Amino acid sequence: DIVMTQSPDSLAVSLGERATINCKSSQSVFHSSNNKNYLGWYQQKSGQPPKLLISWASTRESGVPDRFSGSGSGTDFTLTISNLQAEDVAFYYCQQFQSTPLTFGGGTRVEIK
Amino acid sequence: QVQLVQSGSELKKPGASVKVSCKASGYIFTNYALNWVRQAPGQGLEWMGWINTNTGSPTYAQDFTGRFDFSLDTSVSTAYLQISSLKAEDTAIYFCARVSLWFGDRRGMDVWGQGTTVTVSS
Repeated sequence: DIVMTQSPDSLAVSLGERATINCKSSQSVFHSSNNKNYLGWYQQKSGQPPKLLISWASTRESGVPDRFSGSGSGTDFTLTISNLQAEDVAFYYCQQFQSTPLTFGGGTRVEIK
Repeated sequence: QVQLVQSGSELKKPGASVKVSCKASGYIFTNYALNWVRQAPGQGLEWMGWINTNTGSPTYAQDFTGRFDFSLDTSVSTAYLQISSLKAEDTAIYFCARVSLWFGDRRGMDVWGQGTTVTVSS
């Protein structure tokens, strides 16, 4: 099984500042056949289902503000929220979807300082 | 529009069974696998497994074998999760979510149901 390790568990960031969340996979999720990393980032606000923000490590889903960006390849990935807004308070999860079981990271809580 | 709509909250006694439904609309049902994801109170997301909507073949994560059963009714584009011999620790929100069956198109779980709360208490 591919183990996904997220850090930090939580972080507090001032409005307008940058939040950075890291995710490490125990095996590479990169496929050379199509040059894609099978890694997604989700946002879950209180009382709501998760929402896919970023697919293939760096592709923003339709409608996702451009202050959200994903980077990384292979086993090390980062979600960056630039210019943090109040509505970004949520839990964030990474997930690999290269192979079953489709494992999630443990989650990162983002709050306003 | 593309959506997954789940059945309502359930309150069950230990030892009972529960069946949660997830109805898909707005897309070709058999192009996407349906996943089940558990979220225990105050905890993170846990992938339970998925069902191939083309073949009806389920795949279960290691912690979800035995008492858990995934099924389909393709005539009404609906997937089901049944949990038998319920325990208090099954208390959680259960989500369904789709993911492309075709590996090259798979970009993650892009559509989620609203979640079904299952509470197990005597």
